[in-house]
Amino acid sequence: SQQGEEDPQALSIQEGENATMNCSYKTSINNLQWYRQNSGRGLVHLILIRSNEREKHSGRLRVTLDTSKKSSSLLITASRAADTASYFCATDAKNTDKLIFGTGTRLQVFP
Amino acid sequence: EPEVTQTPSHQVTQMGQEVILRCVPISNHLYFYWYRQILGQKVEFLVSFYNNEISEKSEIFDDQFSVERPDGSNFTLKIRSTKLEDSAMYFCASTLAGGGETQYFGPGTRLLVL
Repeated sequence: SQQGEEDPQALSIQEGENATMNCSYKTSINNLQWYRQNSGRGLVHLILIRSNEREKHSGRLRVTLDTSKKSSSLLITASRAADTASYFCATDAKNTDKLIFGTGTRLQVFP
Repeated sequence: EPEVTQTPSHQVTQMGQEVILRCVPISNHLYFYWYRQILGQKVEFLVSFYNNEISEKSEIFDDQFSVERPDGSNFTLKIRSTKLEDSAMYFCASTLAGGGETQYFGPGTRLLVL
């Protein structure tokens, strides 16, 4: 299966610290996307990185992709209490556009 | 900014009843999807839809499920005879083009089957 697995499962940090979440997957991908979900709410798209890209930035977010290790990381710099949420990676393979979601990392940022 | 909308936000139904979940994708998008998330579990793909037909479906999407685009704006998911295990959050998503473009998700419909 192409399932993504995130680690850690849960992460607690203080405001101002950086948060790093990792995602691993099993098969070749076309793209990898990161989403955020506040408790019981919808999925908010954060960033998409294509398989031929190695790094991408968006504001305080930095995503890296290592296709040789089949892994990606999401770094949130200078975290805020409002960043508290679950973060999921989702991959899609060539010839399909269904997303396979990982297990998610629950991030808690304390003020 | 355009967004995907879903109605209702919550639905409670009795086992065996039919439910229809509604979605309005972003207006110029062409590809539509349904996903579900059972409480505490991963988000799972159900079905993708393009050009008025299903392009891909998962094992979850059995004969009890159907999708339809009844007009130019709505995209619906029907569960014919609900089971307890259908209780989940159902998300609609849309994208302008297939092939791995960003999928924009709606806020979800929380379905509870009693």
